[in-house]
Order: sequence, then structure tokens, then C-alpha cells
Amino acid sequence: EIVLTQSPGTLSLSPGERATLSCRASQSVSSSYLAWYQQKPGQAPRLLIYGASSRATGIPDRFSGSGSGTDFTLTISRLEPEDFAVYYCQQYGSSPQTFGPGTKVDIK
Amino acid sequence: QVQLVQSGAEVKKPGSSVKVSCKASGGTFSSYTISWVRQAPGQGLEWMGRIIPILGIANYAQKFQGRVTITADKSTSTAYMELSSLRSEDTAVYYCAPPPGAPFDYWGQGTLVTVSS
Repeated sequence: EIVLTQSPGTLSLSPGERATLSCRASQSVSSSYLAWYQQKPGQAPRLLIYGASSRATGIPDRFSGSGSGTDFTLTISRLEPEDFAVYYCQQYGSSPQTFGPGTKVDIK
Repeated sequence: QVQLVQSGAEVKKPGSSVKVSCKASGGTFSSYTISWVRQAPGQGLEWMGRIIPILGIANYAQKFQGRVTITADKSTSTAYMELSSLRSEDTAVYYCAPPPGAPFDYWGQGTLVTVSS
């Protein structure tokens, strides 16, 4: 099973700042099958990025994903008020699919 | 646009079973897989397993092997997740989810399953 580690656990930033979230895998993620989700309280997770770097439908271009192998990054170029949430990475290239523990982005 | 619509909240006794449905509204699953993911209160996301509806083939996370059964009815574009031998630790919101990158990329709204005596 591929274990995903996310850092930091919490990121305290102000609107307009840049957010950089990390996701590290215990072994190489097949074909960059790495996704990022945003979750707000009481809501289902929303897909942001798939295939490590492809934005999902309707996702603003301030969200970008990069990386390959075992190291992946989600970058939010300029935080908007609605971006404060929990972010999860997921690998879906091998079974069982696994999620990271999440990074909470909160308002500083 | 296909949307995944789940059945309503359930309250179950320990030792019983629960079956949650996930219907593709406005279309079909086509050839895409449907996964089931759960989230215990205040916790992260946990993948339980998935099914390829057009083939009826499912695979499961080892943690849930023997306790979970995922099925699909192609004729109604509905997937099901049944979890048996429920215990308090199974209290969670259960989601159905498409594969990342599918044309329909929104998860179901979630179904709260509460296990309590």
C-alpha cells in the first residue's frame, strides 16, 4: 500500500498570499495518478487536480499541481477567501487507492 | 451533466448491515469506475473499494475485505455499497466518487451512517 504524507499539517496564511502544499508518497505513484481535493466543512471533497497537473473542470487557474514519482505539490498562487479549507492528495494508480491525511489552510 | 445522488442517512445497531445507494442522475456511469470513500467524524478520507459497473467487477481495500460488498445495476445506473457487522467505528459519512479525470467529477453528496445501540 502506498502511504501518502502531507506537509505541513496546517498552513496559516493571509488572503493574497501564495500557498505551497506538499504530498510525498512512500513509493512511486504510477503514471502520475495523483489527485488533489479541496474540502470545506459539511461538504463533499471537490476535485481540483488530476494526473498530478491537470485542472478539473471549472477550477480557477490560481490552482496548479506539479511533481512526479514520489513528490508532488499543489500551489495556490494567490489565496482567495473561499480557498481556506482542507486539502487532500490521493493516489489512484495502484490498489488500494490511498489519501494523505490532509493539510488545513487557515486564515492567519 | 451526470450527478451522483446518494440515499439518505441511516441509523443502525451494532452487528447489523447497511446498504447505501449512488445513482447517476442525468446520465450513466458509462465505462467509468465508481469508488466508495468514507470519512469518520473529524477524520480524513478512507478508500473502501470500487466497481466497474459495466463489468460488475469490484475490488476492495484489504481492511474491509469480507465486510463490504460493492455492486452495480447497469439498468438503473446505480451503485451500491453494503457494509456488514457494523460497529461504532463505522460511524461515518460514506461517499461515492468517480475516478479523477472522468467527465463527471463531482462526488455524491454523502450519506451519514450512524452505528449506535
